[in-house]
Amino acid sequence: GEKVEQHESTLSVREGDSAVINCTYTDTASSYFPWYKQEAGKGLHFVIDIRSNVDRKQSQRLIVLLDKKAKRFSLHITATQPEDSAIYFCAASMRYNVLYFGSGTKLTVEP
Amino acid sequence: GPKVLQIPSHQIIDMGQMVTLNCDPVSNHLYFYWYKQILGQQMEFLVNFYNGKVMEKSKLFKDQFSVERPDGSYFTLKIQPTALEDSAVYFCASSPRLGGVAETLYFGSGTRLTVL
Repeated sequence: GEKVEQHESTLSVREGDSAVINCTYTDTASSYFPWYKQEAGKGLHFVIDIRSNVDRKQSQRLIVLLDKKAKRFSLHITATQPEDSAIYFCAASMRYNVLYFGSGTKLTVEP
Repeated sequence: GPKVLQIPSHQIIDMGQMVTLNCDPVSNHLYFYWYKQILGQQMEFLVNFYNGKVMEKSKLFKDQFSVERPDGSYFTLKIQPTALEDSAVYFCASSPRLGGVAETLYFGSGTRLTVL
């Protein structure tokens, strides 16, 4: 089955800098790649997604890039703020909303 | 945004007993899911459910597991009997549609199940 690897387990940046979280996947049939944010004690909150028919998507300070040849996708958070601090999960899906999750990246934005 | 509620947030139970985890999905959603996360590990798909039926389940969805949503009430995950390895956080999710194109899943805050 699909395996999603999230490369950074922790990431620390200064407020205002950019943060980049990288994920790779194994199954070329995967076509949907969402990102979720989890704050302490809370559930997963959807932040942004990208489908395989595009290679870039932006929503305000969030940019997602998809490289299908390399089977890699990444989340870029620009102009980080302290409230961006959370655990971010990448996921991949090929059918029926069966999401295969990465192991999570704990992002800390230092003032 | 849309909210999925999970009740209870924590549950402690003795091995061999039955447990029911409850999920109140987003009101107009039709598709429901359970995911399992063992401490320190990745979240893993258990099952999805639509129109009263399980559509797909993973190998983690053991025979002791069952799901239902009677009469539009809670979407439930029942484990009977429980085993030590069932200790985990169980996340419920729902989505408005399911088709050839994946839809955004909305997750609850999880139920932490501890089996003693």
